[in-house]
Amino acid sequence: AQSVAQPEDQVNVAEGNPLTVKCTYSVSGNPYLFWYVQYPNRGLQFLLKYITGDNLVKGSYGFEAEFNKSQTSFHLKKPSALVSDSALYFCAVRDGGSYIPTFGRGTSLIVHP
Amino acid sequence: DTGVSQDPRHKITKRGQNVTFRCDPISEHNRLYWYRQTLGQGPEFLTYFQNEAQLEKSRLLSDRFSAERPKGSFSTLEIQRTEQGDSAMYLCASSGTGTVNTGELFFGEGSRLTVL
Repeated sequence: AQSVAQPEDQVNVAEGNPLTVKCTYSVSGNPYLFWYVQYPNRGLQFLLKYITGDNLVKGSYGFEAEFNKSQTSFHLKKPSALVSDSALYFCAVRDGGSYIPTFGRGTSLIVHP
Repeated sequence: DTGVSQDPRHKITKRGQNVTFRCDPISEHNRLYWYRQTLGQGPEFLTYFQNEAQLEKSRLLSDRFSAERPKGSFSTLEIQRTEQGDSAMYLCASSGTGTVNTGELFFGEGSRLTVL
């Protein structure tokens, strides 16, 4: 079985400050980890992924995420938040032997001017 | 536009009616997924195709739900005898295999269903 937890329903941050959106996961095998962003009334857009290799992965729009195997976490980060980053963020995981990702409940990121 | 397209974007229907949604994936992608998303929740997996074969179905997919991908290209999701609890956003996504497969899904804009 595979599962994802996003412990925060909402994250508030001031523009220009660093942001972190948390994600922890559980899989039986090697994890494939993903972050997606969703703007109102739109589909999900892929931001970044970890399959193997460096624990720090960089993605679209200046976002990055750090894979931590011992803590089973894959937190999303950005050094300097923009108001336009305000959206819903979803973490997803799949076992390396599966093609079906499981999504978290999502975290609403609000960046204040 | 070469992305995933879904039709219709919005559907309002009365309880008990049948509805059908269509998804056209990215042309070179042979994997196609249907997810359902309700307010405040993440996408929940419904079903998955590889080419025309439906390889997995969620327990969420009751007998009233059926999905097809007849020629391995577009897919349809039909809901019979709709109930108010079926109101949700239905998301379609696609991905590739082999050298095209980089793991991530490409989502359409979704089809929002409202059952009155």
